[in-house]
Amino acid sequence: DAGVTQSPTHLIKTRGQQVTLRCSPKSGHDTVSWYQQALGQGPQFIFQYYEEEERQRGNFPDRFSGHQFPNYSSELNVNALLLGDSALYLCASSADTGAKNIQYFGAGTRLSVL
Amino acid sequence: DAKTTQPNSMESNEEEPVHLPCNHSTISGTDYIHWYRQLPSQGPEYVIHGLTSNVNNRMASLAIAEDRKSSTLILHRATLRDAAVYYCILYGGATNKLIFGTGTLLAVQP
Repeated sequence: DAGVTQSPTHLIKTRGQQVTLRCSPKSGHDTVSWYQQALGQGPQFIFQYYEEEERQRGNFPDRFSGHQFPNYSSELNVNALLLGDSALYLCASSADTGAKNIQYFGAGTRLSVL
Repeated sequence: DAKTTQPNSMESNEEEPVHLPCNHSTISGTDYIHWYRQLPSQGPEYVIHGLTSNVNNRMASLAIAEDRKSSTLILHRATLRDAAVYYCILYGGATNKLIFGTGTLLAVQP
């Protein structure tokens, strides 16, 4: 059973460009969350998707957007990249069973903005 | 969002028990206490969670104070592979998002 998979593993972009990151959730999971992790910091919640809708959003600007597809996979899009967007982007999936459910993380996409 | 407080770092010797503390004095009645860990170059990995009672699984034990304002993650016999950042997280209530702090960096010496 494949866990959460993310692509690509590494990405280099320049300021002002746009980027799309992809995530396939663990089999049987219908909820996908995205996190940004700067070097030396804990992951910060970006947003969560359930039933193809954005259900919750963290304190991130509108340049960060996402999408969930009918097969529960998800994309994270970042427009007008800034140097400060350089980070590890993590995708986590879960079965929507409330407050005690476990989130499973992928290995992340390392984004470098030059 | 309710916050947790953890020591920045801890050290342990291999094959000895490790007790990782966490304070969460503003915990609400519906918050679960979750622990995740992040090994180098990997995404976070679920370790254990609990609500009121102590919990055990194959990875660790979770001891929860009676007033729920603090908890302790216990690794019974640390191995070199347990070297990681350990995050204590309050999860639930009105939100389904994990709020990570900076965690505790655990170093395990051979």
